[in-house]
Amino acid sequence: GAVVSQHPSRVICKSGTSVKIECRSLDFQATTMFWYRQFPKKSLMLMATSNEGSKATYEQGVEKDKFLINHASLTLSTLTVTSAHPEDSSFYICSAAGGWGTDTQYFGPGTRLTVL
Amino acid sequence: GQQLNQSPQSMFIQEGEDVSMNCTSSSIFNTWLWYKQDPGEGPVLLIALYKAGELTSNGRLTAQFGITRKDSFLNISASIPSDVGIYFCGGATNKLIFGTGTLLAVQP
Repeated sequence: GAVVSQHPSRVICKSGTSVKIECRSLDFQATTMFWYRQFPKKSLMLMATSNEGSKATYEQGVEKDKFLINHASLTLSTLTVTSAHPEDSSFYICSAAGGWGTDTQYFGPGTRLTVL
Repeated sequence: GQQLNQSPQSMFIQEGEDVSMNCTSSSIFNTWLWYKQDPGEGPVLLIALYKAGELTSNGRLTAQFGITRKDSFLNISASIPSDVGIYFCGGATNKLIFGTGTLLAVQP
């Protein structure tokens, strides 16, 4: 149980384009989903927290107009990187927390974004 | 963003040795979590701790939630080559804060 998927696993795009990443909880309903960003050899940094049906809460320094988050259902959240630039290249990881022990997050496999 | 202090930063050990790593924080957490991350993958939950003083095992792994709620440790006994990876602690209240990570290398 507690499986979280992400799609795509890796994406390469041109500078200026937008990229959408999907995060799905496959076998449980996620009241809250989280989006993280990880640079090489670094830890995960929380970008934003999203609850189903409400606006995401962004961490300080994260541009909400650049990183659009939608949590339309209890099993799906999307992160759209708008007008991507090379400095947005990173490993993006989502996690989901169910109603049981809400502090326990289960992570997706990550999405490697490369902006040329 | 905020990170927890995790030590050691890296460990290079022989197969069969025991491993110990810990995380400390200036803040109190309600939950401590330990994850392992392989290259190019997302973190995988190893152990979750919900109560101060709690000691929990998962196979060869044992973790404890510190009494002060500001620290936690993870022990791995009799290490094997597949234990290689990066281990992260996480402290959680309304959001999860990660440690800086411990890189573990195990030589057969």
